[in-house]
Amino acid sequence: DIQMTQSPSSLSASVGDRVTITCRASQSISNFLNWYHQRPGKAPKLLIYAASSLQTGVPSRFSGSGSGTDFTLTISSLQPEDFATYYCQQSYSIPYSFGQGTKLEIK
Amino acid sequence: EVQLVESGGGLLQPGGSLRLSCAASGFTFSNYWMSWVRQAPGEGLQWVANIKQDGTEEYYVDSVKGRFTISRDNAKNSLYLQMNSLRAEDTAVYYCARDRPRWGLEIFFDFWGPGTLVTVSS
Repeated sequence: DIQMTQSPSSLSASVGDRVTITCRASQSISNFLNWYHQRPGKAPKLLIYAASSLQTGVPSRFSGSGSGTDFTLTISSLQPEDFATYYCQQSYSIPYSFGQGTKLEIK
Repeated sequence: EVQLVESGGGLLQPGGSLRLSCAASGFTFSNYWMSWVRQAPGEGLQWVANIKQDGTEEYYVDSVKGRFTISRDNAKNSLYLQMNSLRAEDTAVYYCARDRPRWGLEIFFDFWGPGTLVTVSS
């Protein structure tokens, strides 16, 4: 099974900051990497698929990059609604697996 | 508008059984793989199972193999998860999620239901 490891596990930032979250796969997954965020008590929401493709309706301040084993999610200018927990997920092979999450908190 | 709504969660004792349902609307259900994903209280996300558009292929995470069965009824636009021999560690919010379309190469979960809570406790 493929293990996904995110860093950091938590992050404090301010509105307007640029933040980057990284995700590493235990083996190469090509570009089969998705990013979601989840607000408390809500279902996850897809942000980025196939490592760098922006899901319809997601603001352009979100971007993704990487391939193989190392990936990043960048938020160019944090907005209040972006404070949430972020998860990466590999869809290269079953069982699909998620990272442990990165909690983005307001500084 | 795509909508997924889960139901059937509840409190039950270890060893019990439960059937979750997910009602889909706003898209052609029979064109999509569908998945179940769960989240234990205060924990991260875990993919549980998925099923092909026509129900001919099913896949599971090892921890539920032999205990859980995913199924679907395309005529009713519904997805199901039959859970048997439940354990305390199965306690979680269970989400149904739209998986890839029949024509898709990329695999992601683009729509999710609000989830239904399953609590296994004596």
